[in-house]
Amino acid sequence: ETGVTQTPRHLVMGMTNKKSLKCEQHLGHNAMYWYKQSAKKPLELMFVYNFKEQTENNSVPSRFSPECPNSSHLFLHLHTLQPEDSALYLCASSQGGASQPQHFGDGTRLSIL
Amino acid sequence: AQSVTQPDIHITVSEGASLELRCNYSYGATPYLFWYVQSPGQGLQLLLKYFSGDTLVQGIKGFEAEFKRSQSSFNLRKPSVHWSDAAEYFCAVGLDQNFVFGPGTRLSVLP
Repeated sequence: ETGVTQTPRHLVMGMTNKKSLKCEQHLGHNAMYWYKQSAKKPLELMFVYNFKEQTENNSVPSRFSPECPNSSHLFLHLHTLQPEDSALYLCASSQGGASQPQHFGDGTRLSIL
Repeated sequence: AQSVTQPDIHITVSEGASLELRCNYSYGATPYLFWYVQSPGQGLQLLLKYFSGDTLVQGIKGFEAEFKRSQSSFNLRKPSVHWSDAAEYFCAVGLDQNFVFGPGTRLSVLP
């Protein structure tokens, strides 16, 4: 298996539920990213990890909690989400830095009831 | 303010026609430049990138892009569009440690 894999592909949850999104990369990259893609909005960078250390948190609400146990895995833990959090959540990986292209997974489509 | 703009929200072309998608950026230095494509239900796929050197870069699927420093532009082109090119196209700028993406241009292809 190669590339960036995200699970699940689709997730429907209530506002009081707790769930986690998973991302795994098989490219040997050092950096991993979470993005939020909402309809009619630009792609929003949420979190960046370099060598397992969080290097960026773009004012994301605390109901989103990232975890990066190693360079190949990235999680996004969800708790008490709001309807406006419904979106496509994309994971990406790269060798790090602005010159390296990012490789994306196919995303998790999240719907909050 | 620093930004990446894609002036066209939606473009429709006929199959076989040529295509140009516009991208402009506003940064002091020449950033790293990328074009990505996103088909429905999928993530973003890299089409091509520009770092330095030849200002005309070739990518996958028959796409090319030209960097014009004087216009701060990095427009994407294809001489003959195929129905399978219908998708959303994103221009991106690599700056500092991360990427900034444009808002995207949706391409529709008429048979």
